[in-house]
Amino acid sequence: DAKTTQPPSMDCAEGRAANLPCNHSTISGNEYVYWYRQIHSQGPQYIIHGLKNNETNEMASLIITEDRKSSTLILPHATLRDTAVYYCIVRVYSGGGADGLTFGKGTHLIIQP
Amino acid sequence: DGGITQSPKYLFRKEGQNVTLSCEQNLNHDAMYWYRQDPGQGLRLIYYSQIVNDFQKGDIAEGYSVSREKKESFPLTVTSAQKNPTAFYLCASSPASGSLTDTQYFGPGTRLTVL
Repeated sequence: DAKTTQPPSMDCAEGRAANLPCNHSTISGNEYVYWYRQIHSQGPQYIIHGLKNNETNEMASLIITEDRKSSTLILPHATLRDTAVYYCIVRVYSGGGADGLTFGKGTHLIIQP
Repeated sequence: DGGITQSPKYLFRKEGQNVTLSCEQNLNHDAMYWYRQDPGQGLRLIYYSQIVNDFQKGDIAEGYSVSREKKESFPLTVTSAQKNPTAFYLCASSPASGSLTDTQYFGPGTRLTVL
């Protein structure tokens, strides 16, 4: 049972910022939001994660709303190589040091030339 | 894909045969995972292991078996009991420090086709 909701697909023009939304209205106070992406027929690649503050790294920015019920992943200058399926994941922490990630169907982001 | 290798990339087997998928990591990670992905779907957890000689069932463990004799290796056997084995299989590892900020890193995957 996915705890997140994402649009199935989005288009973005090359060079523009790609903004990918994710709803996670039932998120708990100790759950992080993770983003991964998967290029066709490859393993998923970690992008970024956050708890409640906005985060930025060399790949992307993560904006989390104040109530934490939704977030947006921002790719500031999308390139054709950013075409992939993007997964928003709420981390269910088992406390045992290792636990699986629950992947939904994600958003298929297509960067148009 | 970092330091996680999966081999082979493509694998074909006849129905009724067991097949073992390889996963090796040189990241010194304690935890390793196996996921299955069907076309157009997200990943589903098969098994995971927090430490050598220990492993736990995931959401869809039926028809699969694993072993963790070495920290670097976590092979997955798809048995004849698995009704729909054709899928894309992904291995991952993480430090398993117990922190919520633990990140899983994935291998390139093995695409298994059962004829």
